[in-house]
Amino acid sequence: DVKVTQSSRYLVKRTGEKVFLECVQDMDHENMFWYRQDPGLGLRLIYFSYDVKMKEKGDIPEGYSVSREKKERFSLILESASTNQTSMYLCASTEGTTGGGEAFFGQGTRLTVV
Amino acid sequence: GEDVEQSLFLSVREGDSSVINCTYTDSSSTYLYWYKQEPGAGLQLLTYIFSNMDMKQDQRLTVLLNKKDKHLSLRIADTQTGDSAIYFCAESKGSNYQLIWGAGTKLIIKP
Repeated sequence: DVKVTQSSRYLVKRTGEKVFLECVQDMDHENMFWYRQDPGLGLRLIYFSYDVKMKEKGDIPEGYSVSREKKERFSLILESASTNQTSMYLCASTEGTTGGGEAFFGQGTRLTVV
Repeated sequence: GEDVEQSLFLSVREGDSSVINCTYTDSSSTYLYWYKQEPGAGLQLLTYIFSNMDMKQDQRLTVLLNKKDKHLSLRIADTQTGDSAIYFCAESKGSNYQLIWGAGTKLIIKP
């Protein structure tokens, strides 16, 4: 019954490494989102995509890039990881064309940059 | 601005009602949502309300919307230990259902 899958639950990376976070959804949704979640700050949108190869910056895109080559897959890339990117990363998808707009979330990836 | 504000935590006794409040700023929002995040898990949609409604009830959950004051509340009747979670308020924005999120309210259940 899994709908949105993130490739890793926990990651530890070194400062300066290039990091890939993968997200796959099996609901044929048009829209996919990457958020980071930090205590007291809630969810902050990094990037979202409303179609294959289309992307829009969210509120905090600096230091991140994304890739959406296929409809079901949305990747978040940290070009050169830094310690302030230690966080919980959540991927979500929405259908985008019907009422309600329920967002389905992955289980999250807790990234630690050392 | 585009702020959605919530208290950071709420503490209630098991069996009491919990009321989690949220204020938002975008009067053009069409949908307002409550999501629940259990420990170690992603977020799940709990309930939502369309902006032309004042109230929505679903079993133990009651959502109240005051559009004039831009205030949304979630009431959980007979709160149980399984209700321990962080509850996020969100409003929709734009045609692609981009959501603006509150910081989340942690619901703490006292025995």
